[in-house]
Amino acid sequence: DGGITQSPKYLFRKEGQNVTLSCEQNLNHDAMYWYRQDPGQGLRLIYYSQIVNDFQKGDIAEGYSVSREKKESFPLTVTSAQKNPTAFYLCASSTTGTGDTEAFFGQGTRLTVV
Amino acid sequence: AQSVTQLGSHVSVSEGALVLLRCNYSSSVPPYLFWYVQYPNQGLQLLLKYTSAATLVKGINGFEAEFKKSETSFHLTKPSAHMSDAAEYFCAVSDQGDKLIFGTGTRLQVFP
Repeated sequence: DGGITQSPKYLFRKEGQNVTLSCEQNLNHDAMYWYRQDPGQGLRLIYYSQIVNDFQKGDIAEGYSVSREKKESFPLTVTSAQKNPTAFYLCASSTTGTGDTEAFFGQGTRLTVV
Repeated sequence: AQSVTQLGSHVSVSEGALVLLRCNYSSSVPPYLFWYVQYPNQGLQLLLKYTSAATLVKGINGFEAEFKKSETSFHLTKPSAHMSDAAEYFCAVSDQGDKLIFGTGTRLQVFP
């Protein structure tokens, strides 16, 4: 079945450690996105990529980094520079084009920093 | 820049009652608008989308939304709520052709 796989579902890390969240898709989509979700704030865009080897900052990119070496994969690294990393992280993908195509989401990774 | 505003962070209805979740958009160009649903600890699932083909859009699970340009609104409705509709609902607008900009969400509770 085609879809987006995020792993792990739950992640615990000590403060000051970098951590990488995995996102893989087999939908043959060109565009991929990372969102952060906090209660009462909706989804906020961290980074997005419209093509392999290219990506752009979203609204809250500080303290995060990404790579897009393969079309299927868009890992997100939460660095120690991120002041408040505990959150629910969602990866999505879509075809690129005129903006009328929906994004497909993974099941999310809940990151807790202790 | 495009944006959406969802009025009401929480909505409670009785089972069988009308569901109305409000969304207003801000856009300098004709927008593409979406409604997504999220169940606890899950990703988002598309309910429906508006792409200018018709102002009344029907989606999954009996939901529909009407695009009203004069009111810059895209409210989500369902005639009769079911217990399984309890979830968080997000309105979104497509920005610059690709990115989705989301509202802050509305949590729907359904009481028996």
